[in-house]
Amino acid sequence: DSGVTQTPKHLITATGQRVTLRCSPRSGDLSVYWYQQSLDQGLQFLIQYYNGEERAKGNILERFSAQQFPDLHSELNLSSLELGDSALYFCASSGNLRGDYGYTFGSGTRLTVV
Amino acid sequence: GQNIDQPTEMTATEGAIVQINCTYQTSGFNGLFWYQQHAGEAPTFLSYNVLDGLEEKGRFSSFLSRSKGYSYLLLKELQMKDSASYLCAVRGAGNKLTFGGGTRVLVKP
Repeated sequence: DSGVTQTPKHLITATGQRVTLRCSPRSGDLSVYWYQQSLDQGLQFLIQYYNGEERAKGNILERFSAQQFPDLHSELNLSSLELGDSALYFCASSGNLRGDYGYTFGSGTRLTVV
Repeated sequence: GQNIDQPTEMTATEGAIVQINCTYQTSGFNGLFWYQQHAGEAPTFLSYNVLDGLEEKGRFSSFLSRSKGYSYLLLKELQMKDSASYLCAVRGAGNKLTFGGGTRVLVKP
């Protein structure tokens, strides 16, 4: 157990639907990062939050949004889902803004869009 | 932007040594990370280099040359459990960590 908790572990939904993925960072970590990993592809950075504020943005689609709440947990919202959104979605956390000494990843949410 | 290149796949024999190279081009550089990822699982942190030179951690070592935009991960005394993907990641400007496509290492008996 890395200390980063992601729910649900698996999600199957239909095209056009909306889902919410949840992440609780490791205790004491203020930064949360979201990554998407499609089949046989690398990790694509989506977005970073630090202590409730958005701090960095990657190639996140407009259909996707995220937020970090006062208790530091984060949610990634995916709407108008397409088949191509099927992927593993990882959340990671770090203790500071820079992520020194690496990020701790959760076990991921596997999203399947049918 | 950032560009990170590493080989797609490597095969080695149990007990041998394998070196995984990573080259990068980045706007701003604030450190290079190596992660191990078994299929379908979360990446786990292996090493971090921000200054030139070699960092050794047990059977794993990582080297960085900032002037050449080059790093390598050295895996010694390979074990079957080392079969996994190894991800090179660079933290550039804006604090963003960008990952390479990963190198799949297959360890054979």
